[in-house]
Amino acid sequence: NAGVTQTPKFRILKIGQSMTLQCAQDMNHNYMYWYRQDPGMGLKLIYYSVGAGITDKGEVPNGYNVSRSTTEDFPLRLELAAPSQTSVYFCASSYDPNTEAFFGQGTRLTVV
Amino acid sequence: QKEVEQDPGPLSVPEGAIVSLNCTYSNSAFQYFMWYRQYSRKGPELLMYTYSSGNKEDGRFTAQVDKSSKYISLFIRDSQPSDSATYLCAMSRSSASKIIFGSGTRLSIRP
Repeated sequence: NAGVTQTPKFRILKIGQSMTLQCAQDMNHNYMYWYRQDPGMGLKLIYYSVGAGITDKGEVPNGYNVSRSTTEDFPLRLELAAPSQTSVYFCASSYDPNTEAFFGQGTRLTVV
Repeated sequence: QKEVEQDPGPLSVPEGAIVSLNCTYSNSAFQYFMWYRQYSRKGPELLMYTYSSGNKEDGRFTAQVDKSSKYISLFIRDSQPSDSATYLCAMSRSSASKIIFGSGTRLSIRP
């Protein structure tokens, strides 16, 4: 049972570079989320999606973009990476927001 | 004011102690309350789930919701070193599109 799979696990970016964090789930969940977690801090919602073709901003969307062309995939795009985007990024999915959210293992991103 | 407030800790207790973790919230519409446990360098995993007010027990863990005070708690009995982790409260309301997480409390159980 794969659950939620995130790639890559680690990445170092230079300031100004771009990259896409991949997230895939095999549970046929409509709801998917991207969070960032800074050291010693909780989860901050970046973007979320309630189904294929539908996305919305969370509390910290600046500097990021998302797309949801299929139920399974929810990639997060970083344009013009900045040191402030150094964080651990978690993707999650759920059947609906009132049920258990399943998280991936995270992507550790460092921007230098 | 944040919708969900949680003391970040860290909290350090000896093995075998009873641990109490708490969150307060401001939105009275919240009806679904969850506790997630996150081990170091891992993603959070659901530990306890409660709908509306009341208590729920699962082994050494008890989740308590007091909607009148907008206060939820997680109790851990006979704490073990393996309980050392960050505990995040989370909540949502009917017809919501997202879960709201607390900032997490880092817990350490000393052998």
